[in-house]
This record gives sequence, C-alpha cells and structure tokens, in this order.
Amino acid sequence: GAVVSQHPSWVICKSGTSVKIECRSLDFQATTMFWYRQFPKQSLMLMATSNEGSKATYEQGVEKDKFLINHASLTLSTLTVTSAHPEDSSFYICSARDTIAGGHYEQYFGPGTRLTVT
Amino acid sequence: ILNVEQSPQSLHVQEGDSTNFTCSFPSSNFYALHWYRWETAKSPEALFVMTLNGDEKKKGRISATLNTKEGYSYLYIKGSQPEDSATYLCASPRGGSNYKLTFGKGTLLTVNP
Repeated sequence: GAVVSQHPSWVICKSGTSVKIECRSLDFQATTMFWYRQFPKQSLMLMATSNEGSKATYEQGVEKDKFLINHASLTLSTLTVTSAHPEDSSFYICSARDTIAGGHYEQYFGPGTRLTVT
Repeated sequence: ILNVEQSPQSLHVQEGDSTNFTCSFPSSNFYALHWYRWETAKSPEALFVMTLNGDEKKKGRISATLNTKEGYSYLYIKGSQPEDSATYLCASPRGGSNYKLTFGKGTLLTVNP
C-alpha cells in the first residue's frame, strides 16, 4: 500500500511556457501533500505544502505565482511551473502524508519529475 | 533552521560486507527521525520512523538505532547485496502541525558483486 504516482516522469519545455506536474495518492487519501525540489548533490528542499481544499503554503524564497499548486481532491495535487525559465530546470518530487501507528505521520513519495527548460 | 547531516556522502562495499552510516540531527526539540531508501528512477521508500531514545528497528537485513540525547541515528546493513545499492536518506520533522521534513543529503551506497 501507500503508493504515490507522479506524472510526467520527465518533460522538456521551451522557455516561457508552463508545465503541469501531477501527484496522486493511489491507495489512500491525503489531506496534505508536499512538493520538493532537488538540485544536483543537494538534499530534497521543501517548496510548499499543499492542503486539500485550501491554499498552499510556500517556503521562504519560493515564488507562489511561479509555482502554482492546486489540491482539489484528497488524492490529487498539481504543481504548475509558469513561464518556465532555464533556471527552473530541476528535479521535482511530491509526497503525500499519511497517518501511521502511534499517531505519527509518514510521507510517501512519487518517483519525481525531471524538468528541462530550453 | 533544522540541520540534518549524513555521512559518509558515498560508500562502496563488496557483496557480503556489512556496513553502516550516520545521520546527525539537533537533539533539542526532537520529535522523530525517518529513514528512506531511494533507488535510481524509483520513489523513495520509507524504511523506518523512529521516535524514542534507544529505539532499534529492523527490516530484513537493515536495522537502525536512535540516540536522541546526542542527536544521531545509525543505519546498518548486514551482508550487503547489489540490490541494496541506493541512496539512503534520513529526515527529521520541524515543529508544527504540517509535519514538514528536513532531509539530509543522503548516503549513496554502491554494493559491488
């Protein structure tokens, strides 16, 4: 159980266009999902927290108008990179939060999306 | 800012060797420590969630220990196999209800046959 899918797995787009990435929890409902970005040889950096039915909360330094997040259902969150530029080229990965034994949380990850902006 | 450090950055071992690596985190305001295994082109896989000082958890040939007083966790792999080759990540949550995780950079393990 606890499977999260992410689509597409890779995408190449032209500078100035927008790209949408989907994150789905396949076998559980997730009121909270997270979007991360990873640069080479760096750790996963949290970009934003996506809450079902409400606005996403963004980490410091992340432009909310550039990285639009929509969490319209308990199984789907989307990240749209608007007006993409080459510096947005990166690896983006999502996770969905679930409650586990003892009342703690676990995050289950999608496989990630490699975005290249030309 | 929560700093989570992992060492070594990478590790090469021979099949059958046992190995271990470290995750360090601030000991103050500790809540939990997560370990993940991330194979290339796959999703990071949750291995363990550890919460209590002295915790020891095991999953097959992989085990982990936790010392919250000194702020470290060890991950051990007994009798490494090539399929154990992956990046092993640890993460600790910051405070707050959303349970945001701060990740280390990971340890890349390569097991040579």
